[in-house]
Amino acid sequence: QAGLTQPPSVSKDLRQTATLTCTGNSNNVGHQGAVWLQQHQGHPPKLLSHKNNNRPSGISERFSASRSGNTASLTITGLQPEDEADYYCSSWDTSLSAWVFGGGTKLTVL
Amino acid sequence: QVQLVESGGGVVQPGRSLTLSCTASGFTFSSYDIHWVRQAPGKGLEWVALVWSDGITKFYADSVKGRFTISRDNSGNTLHLQLNSLRAEDTAVYYCATERGGNPFEIWGQGTMVTVSS
Repeated sequence: QAGLTQPPSVSKDLRQTATLTCTGNSNNVGHQGAVWLQQHQGHPPKLLSHKNNNRPSGISERFSASRSGNTASLTITGLQPEDEADYYCSSWDTSLSAWVFGGGTKLTVL
Repeated sequence: QVQLVESGGGVVQPGRSLTLSCTASGFTFSSYDIHWVRQAPGKGLEWVALVWSDGITKFYADSVKGRFTISRDNSGNTLHLQLNSLRAEDTAVYYCATERGGNPFEIWGQGTMVTVSS
């Protein structure tokens, strides 16, 4: 099943802003939006953003999601050392009747 | 507290079968759709299957369709994944995760490791 496209890695300086992208098509991101998850090494993923770009309870306001056409974005402001993690997007694909994930972006905070 | 606990992982030979379980506590399990998501060592997340709260409607990734079966027991707050005809590429940590009201992947378990090797 075709997945979503994410850049493999992004590096940003401490306290700077990182914007991670996730590109799909009109059957998934463009139609349903995307969710964003954060995963630290050795831990299960953690939901950062719902499909409607709202944050679940307890997620910092530094994380914000948006969508333009077939591309979803996650913006992280005021980068902190603990933001260093893998970030995944996912969307329901209406043509596949399946969830698809991006390959993940490894965020490094310098 | 709200919790999902996976179990049943282990080492299994190619072609053999295994059943994974996911036990829920701290929330109304029968009101939630539940996913299985897996992660091969050093790799990204791969969605595997989804069962709706009614236990009837099910969806599968193409990579497991016809080999894996998802089911649930709402009276026992348990989700199962029957893995048949296992292949080396099924080696992964298997996670269960909730969905409710169109919001997927809110609650995750810690995962259970499946290794397919001769």
